[in-house]
Amino acid sequence: GNSVTQMEGPVTLSEEAFLTINCTYTATGYPSLFWYVQYPGEGLQLLLKATKADDKGSNKGFEATYRKETTSFHLEKGSVQVSDSAVYFCALWMDSSYKLIFGSGTRLLVRP
Amino acid sequence: EAQVTQNPRYLITVTGKKLTVTCSQNMNHEYMSWYRQDPGLGLRQIYYSMNVEVTDKGDVPEGYKVSRKEKRNFPLILESPSPNQTSLYFCASSLSPGLRVGNEQFFGPGTRLTVL
Repeated sequence: GNSVTQMEGPVTLSEEAFLTINCTYTATGYPSLFWYVQYPGEGLQLLLKATKADDKGSNKGFEATYRKETTSFHLEKGSVQVSDSAVYFCALWMDSSYKLIFGSGTRLLVRP
Repeated sequence: EAQVTQNPRYLITVTGKKLTVTCSQNMNHEYMSWYRQDPGLGLRQIYYSMNVEVTDKGDVPEGYKVSRKEKRNFPLILESPSPNQTSLYFCASSLSPGLRVGNEQFFGPGTRLTVL
């Protein structure tokens, strides 16, 4: 079946460090891919998305590229801030299933 | 303000005592969905609704019921809660089921449920 695998957390970085959170997926067909962010005590917010191969999603300095050949959608940011501390979820959507399929989430902690 | 609201935000209850978690959206969205979030498992879909009076099971529907009598509301009902339903619950909505063409899924703030 369709699934998403994310790297285990927590990921702890110093401010201004480079961030990569790995995400790979398994899907039959051509999913849309998403990154959601969950700040402490809040719901999920869409961070970025890509709907077809080679698309790059970007928002707030975060980027991810839809790589069909490696079935990956890794999240990157060049310089993290303390305010980026949150849990990040990779997810995929298949029109045939009417649901978002989430990875287990990766907690990011950025220290000053 | 466009939003998805859930009530209550926090609830502690006992095994077997029926409860309802309400979800409401003010964006005239057709599609609504319930997820539960558990450590190490991410979010898993419980039920979803394509429109009024149209609901279907997600991946973990056992022990839950839903209804969609009005477009804006999608309550989650636990007829006889059990401790394994202790979780963080999220309601979500989107304009239509397909997420391909700029159709974002909006999430509520979550309801933390503890069943003793």
